[in-house]
Amino acid sequence: KQEVTQIPAALSVPEGENLVLNCSFTDSAIYNLQWFRQDPGKGLTSLLLIQSSQREQTSGRLNASLDKSSGRSTLYIAASQPGDSATYLCAVWSSGGSNYKLTFGKGTLLTVNP
Amino acid sequence: KAGVTQTPRYLIKTRGQQVTLSCSPISGHRSVSWYQQTPGQGLQFLFEYFSETQRNKGNFPGRFSGRQFSNSRSEMNVSTLELGDSALYLCASSLMVSGANVLTFGAGSRLTVL
Repeated sequence: KQEVTQIPAALSVPEGENLVLNCSFTDSAIYNLQWFRQDPGKGLTSLLLIQSSQREQTSGRLNASLDKSSGRSTLYIAASQPGDSATYLCAVWSSGGSNYKLTFGKGTLLTVNP
Repeated sequence: KAGVTQTPRYLIKTRGQQVTLSCSPISGHRSVSWYQQTPGQGLQFLFEYFSETQRNKGNFPGRFSGRQFSNSRSEMNVSTLELGDSALYLCASSLMVSGANVLTFGAGSRLTVL
């Protein structure tokens, strides 16, 4: 059974700081890993998707890495801004018997203070 | 380009009642999946539909059911509501059923069971 863990559960940083969010998964046989952002009371916004054959993906100030062998991914946010405040969720697609299964971590609540 | 639309956004029901939630995917997307989000359990996969067929199913009781229409719109139904069914129900669409596709989420339907 795939389990996804995100550390830390909450993080508070001053504006301008670079930061790293961590995600680990127990079954390394994944198809891809996706990072999402969720604002309070709203749905999820996809940030980055990393295919199982890739090592990293970049979008603007965001960089996500994937190490399948160790079951880890990191989301790096450069020069953080108050608008980055949100919950960040990591999710992995893996095989659940004959089906694909998407498993989410419980998220990291990020607060960027002006 | 319209996003994923979920209706209703908020609803209140009492125990024992049933509820139907609707999801209209992005035009051209044929896969629709549903998720339940609660503070305690986080985001959990309910089921996925592709071309009117249920392709994947999570570990939820039979009270949770869904369907997809020929225009790819999907509905999920919860019968005999319990207090623990109070949650944010999120729908996501993608072009294909494979795990290699980016999911686009709707804003969710927040269900409160009294």
